[in-house]
Amino acid sequence: EAGVTQFPSHSVIEKGQTVTLRCDPISGHDNLYWYRRVMGKEIKFLLHFVKESKQDESGMPNNRFLAERTGGTYSTLKVQPAELEDSGVYFCASSQAGWNEQFFGPGTRLTVL
Amino acid sequence: AQSVAQPEDQVNVAEGNPLTVKCTYSVSGNPYLFWYVQYPNRGLQFLLKYITGDNLVKGSYGFEAEFNKSQTSFHLKKPSALVSDSALYFCAVRSISGTYKYIFGTGTRLKVLA
Repeated sequence: EAGVTQFPSHSVIEKGQTVTLRCDPISGHDNLYWYRRVMGKEIKFLLHFVKESKQDESGMPNNRFLAERTGGTYSTLKVQPAELEDSGVYFCASSQAGWNEQFFGPGTRLTVL
Repeated sequence: AQSVAQPEDQVNVAEGNPLTVKCTYSVSGNPYLFWYVQYPNRGLQFLLKYITGDNLVKGSYGFEAEFNKSQTSFHLKKPSALVSDSALYFCAVRSISGTYKYIFGTGTRLKVLA
């Protein structure tokens, strides 16, 4: 069984540019989560999808971040325009049901210069 | 507010010795507790979880964790450390009465010395 995959693995962009991160969850997992780890600190929750619906987006930092999950399969997280403080590692996770353990992808390391 | 504390940034242990990585939590209601490990250039891998029942939980790679409700702790342990256990370990909590999001600690880097 394939795990959670994320693309790209690394992205380096300049301040003000746009970046789109992609996450493919484990097949059959309705629940998809985005998290972020900034500057070696704790991993922080961004949002949670159930199928294509946003169940909880309480962790989204501001309106420069837009997450979508069209068709309830893969998800994208767009940052527009990117700021320096957006640098970090963005993790995606999925679970079969909300109460099951979450399986994480390898992360996308975003560097904003 | 829900929170998780991992008081040690780094833990060093000699190969073959027992290891402990500490975690304490604060959450309303009964907690769901998890440990994840991150090897270099890899994602977080699930190690074990506590939901209910026996306070000693056994997980992958010989790891176990002990849930202590009175001390609000969920320390990760292994009887005999291997060099290959060297990695970054994260403790996480989810409240069963809230949303499904995890609250993570800041992580503890474990170094097992040969």
